[in-house]
Amino acid sequence: GQQLNQSPQSMFIQEGEDVSMNCTSSSIFNTWLWYKQDPGEGPVLLIALYKAGELTSNGRLTAQFGITRKDSFLNISASIPSDVGIYFCAGPFSGGGADGLTFGKGTHLIIQP
Amino acid sequence: DSGVTQTPKHLITATGQRVTLRCSPRSGDLSVYWYQQSLDQGLQFLIQYYNGEERAKGNILERFSAQQFPDLHSELNLSSLELGDSALYFCASSGLAKETQYFGPGTRLLVL
Repeated sequence: GQQLNQSPQSMFIQEGEDVSMNCTSSSIFNTWLWYKQDPGEGPVLLIALYKAGELTSNGRLTAQFGITRKDSFLNISASIPSDVGIYFCAGPFSGGGADGLTFGKGTHLIIQP
Repeated sequence: DSGVTQTPKHLITATGQRVTLRCSPRSGDLSVYWYQQSLDQGLQFLIQYYNGEERAKGNILERFSAQQFPDLHSELNLSSLELGDSALYFCASSGLAKETQYFGPGTRLLVL
């Protein structure tokens, strides 16, 4: 089945640093999504990407849809304490006409004071 | 606040039991999705309903079932519970932009 591999698994950074994480897929995706999950809450959509090569920003967050359609990247500039959480990449679930999503295992972002 | 509500927030039960989780989607959203989040499997899509009808299944066990009612709220039924079913269960809803899914706060299930 589909597999989304996210790296790194966790990041320990200082406040103010830039962050980069990526996600690769075993199959081609037509849509890439990035979600963030805060402790005790459900995931929240950050950025949606619909076209290979697309670069989209949401405030300090920038995501790119890889040219091969098998990868995507998320960058966070000038990190702040509220950026702490788990970042997930996601794409359409394959099979049965489902509109559900397949998620990566997540990148845990920890900001050290 | 995503506008998606889930009850209960926490649930503790024993192996072999049956539980029902409830979800109310955002106002106007016709699609409801159920996901399971566990440490070993991550976040997995279980099943989708659209306007009262089952649309598609994901990685849902046969012991699990769901339904969506005329008022669009949905219930996920988990039966013959096993220790491994302990997880967070999320409901999400979407409108026309199906990839823009709004997640509820989840139900944390603990099977003892």
